[in-house]
Amino acid sequence: DTEVTQTPKHLVMGMTNKKSLKCEQHMGHRAMYWYKQKAKKPPELMFVYSYEKLSINESVPSRFSPECPNSSLLNLHLHALQPEDSALYLCASSTGGFDTQYFGPGTRLTVL
Amino acid sequence: QQQVKQSPQSLIVQKGGIPIINCAYENTAFDYFPWYQQFPGKGPALLIAIRPDVSEKKEGRFTISFNKSAKQFSLHIMDSQPGDSATYFCAASIENNQGGKLIFGQGTELSVKP
Repeated sequence: DTEVTQTPKHLVMGMTNKKSLKCEQHMGHRAMYWYKQKAKKPPELMFVYSYEKLSINESVPSRFSPECPNSSLLNLHLHALQPEDSALYLCASSTGGFDTQYFGPGTRLTVL
Repeated sequence: QQQVKQSPQSLIVQKGGIPIINCAYENTAFDYFPWYQQFPGKGPALLIAIRPDVSEKKEGRFTISFNKSAKQFSLHIMDSQPGDSATYFCAASIENNQGGKLIFGQGTELSVKP
């Protein structure tokens, strides 16, 4: 099973709201990723967790706060977002290192 | 040096044609080259991947050709079908012990006409 699940599928939030995106994988992968993707652009890496520890933060604004409660779960907490943060947020996982990353279906986020 | 350059930006072929998408890189530290297929509103799905010790890899109708000396690789889709219409991203990965970091090309929007 190479499935990464993400909830919710769609999210609309105001600039003062606090919300969270969730990602789950049961493939025993030890690396998990958050990406942001704008229309007609490639995914942009935001964060990497390796063995439940944050290993890469691509200079993402603090209004995005990642959390890895355990090896199967990854959250992205959102607060005080801007309309330009509207995008498809993708979660991915891999066994680690430079091998295959498996992507979830994404959460379509709209910030009003 | 971290970039992966992908061309063309868009491509239209007739059913049965062989679209070819090209990618080039500069960083010789890249050691893993996957291709992803993405349909509108969906996450990217791994299509096929290659490592630089192999010059060609074929999986079904999809073939990667890899030229290490030229630092180029390409995707060929044999007998293309309308269902292949999607955006294709090449990528390259740098090995590290912090989780792989994929560097994506800009994408190619492929349309296969019936």
